[in-house]
Amino acid sequence: NAGVTQTPKFQVLKTGQSMTLQCAQDMNHEYMSWYRQDPGMGLRLIHYSVGAGITDQGEVPNGYNVSRSTTEDFPLRLLSAAPSQTSVYFCASSYTHNKKYGYTFGSGTRLTVV
Amino acid sequence: GIQVEQSPPDLILQEGANSTLRCNFSDSVNNLQWFHQNPWGQLINLFYIPSGTKQNGRLSATTVATERYSLLYISSSQTTDSGVYFCAVTGANSKLTFGKGITLSVRP
Repeated sequence: NAGVTQTPKFQVLKTGQSMTLQCAQDMNHEYMSWYRQDPGMGLRLIHYSVGAGITDQGEVPNGYNVSRSTTEDFPLRLLSAAPSQTSVYFCASSYTHNKKYGYTFGSGTRLTVV
Repeated sequence: GIQVEQSPPDLILQEGANSTLRCNFSDSVNNLQWFHQNPWGQLINLFYIPSGTKQNGRLSATTVATERYSLLYISSSQTTDSGVYFCAVTGANSKLTFGKGITLSVRP
């Protein structure tokens, strides 16, 4: 049981480049979400999904796209990277209707945009 | 949305000391979790505690949902307890909202 797997762990991009951060879970969780963590800001919600085919915006969605074609995968796309997107990104998942076990987080992706 | 405030923002302890970390939230919640972020950046789930009291070794947590706060107790602190402690809550919309965290340093 791998839990939530994020790839890559580290990435350096040049301004204007695009990339996709991958997130996969094997717990059959309906709910998946992406957060970014910046110093002094805690974790802020970027986008989330309550099931395959359904996505919605969080607190800081600008500059990011998501899709949810399967229950297991929830990729985060940066279309044109900017230095302001330098951050640590976390993916999380949970059951939607049974919250007994709460949220499970991946190990994070550290992204630097130069 | 729900506001989450944690206090104190920073805490320095001598090894062996006890401490209490507080989380206040602004509305009714369906879910409350405490996380520890270790020096390597990993988020470790400590407690899922929307109400009541739980204990796990030297750590325990209490949530009083009617008064909109939760407390995390650390007893006999160790240097490995250092890191950032986050409280996060979920309201009716299932969005998990984090506080800004409490940075704990335990000195030998």
